[in-house]
Amino acid sequence: GAVVSQHPSWVICKSGTSVKIECRSLDFQATTMFWYRQFPKQSLMLMATSNEGSKATYEQGVEKDKFLINHASLTLSTLTVTSAHPEDSSFYICSAREVTSGANVLTFGAGSRLTVL
Amino acid sequence: AQTVTQSQPEMSVQEAETVTLSCTYDTSENNYYLFWYKQPPSRQMILVIRQEAYKQQNATENRFSVNFQKAAKSFSLKISDSQLGDTAMYFCASHHQGGKLIFGQGTELSVKP
Repeated sequence: GAVVSQHPSWVICKSGTSVKIECRSLDFQATTMFWYRQFPKQSLMLMATSNEGSKATYEQGVEKDKFLINHASLTLSTLTVTSAHPEDSSFYICSAREVTSGANVLTFGAGSRLTVL
Repeated sequence: AQTVTQSQPEMSVQEAETVTLSCTYDTSENNYYLFWYKQPPSRQMILVIRQEAYKQQNATENRFSVNFQKAAKSFSLKISDSQLGDTAMYFCASHHQGGKLIFGQGTELSVKP
């Protein structure tokens, strides 16, 4: 079945630095990928929709200059947390939908845990 | 606005018994999909079951089945013969145009031996 790889699975960084998280669809092409954020014991909150070859669409309240999304190919989307602060510490999850899929099923990555010191 | 509501933060069930998780949603779309996802301690999201809104028949996947009440905008998940491996967070979600999923708050299910 479809597999989405997310890297790194765990990252610690210093306050003020930037961190990049990669989301790859391994065996299918994805024109659209989604980035979610999840705090402990809470639900997944959609941050943005990543569109291959165009600008990402951000949800209300998400700072696009802080959370930079690039979807340069049909198999890769990246999320860069710029000038990270401790409040950005969270679990970030990406998901992707296969181009040819008519079932509207998203495949999720395993997530990336970000800790900002 | 599209919303999904899960009113049971925590549930527990004895192994081998049946449990039902509740979910209500609100949407203005005519054609949509509903999902239940499982998130075990590993945090990996796993699709449990999917329902297409235009289908009247309730979806079933082995021990998992749904009770889809379209008029009431209700979409509950029934787990039969509960197993220890069913212990996880369960999220109800609705799918909308553009492909994005909107999730409910989640229900933490504990299966007790």
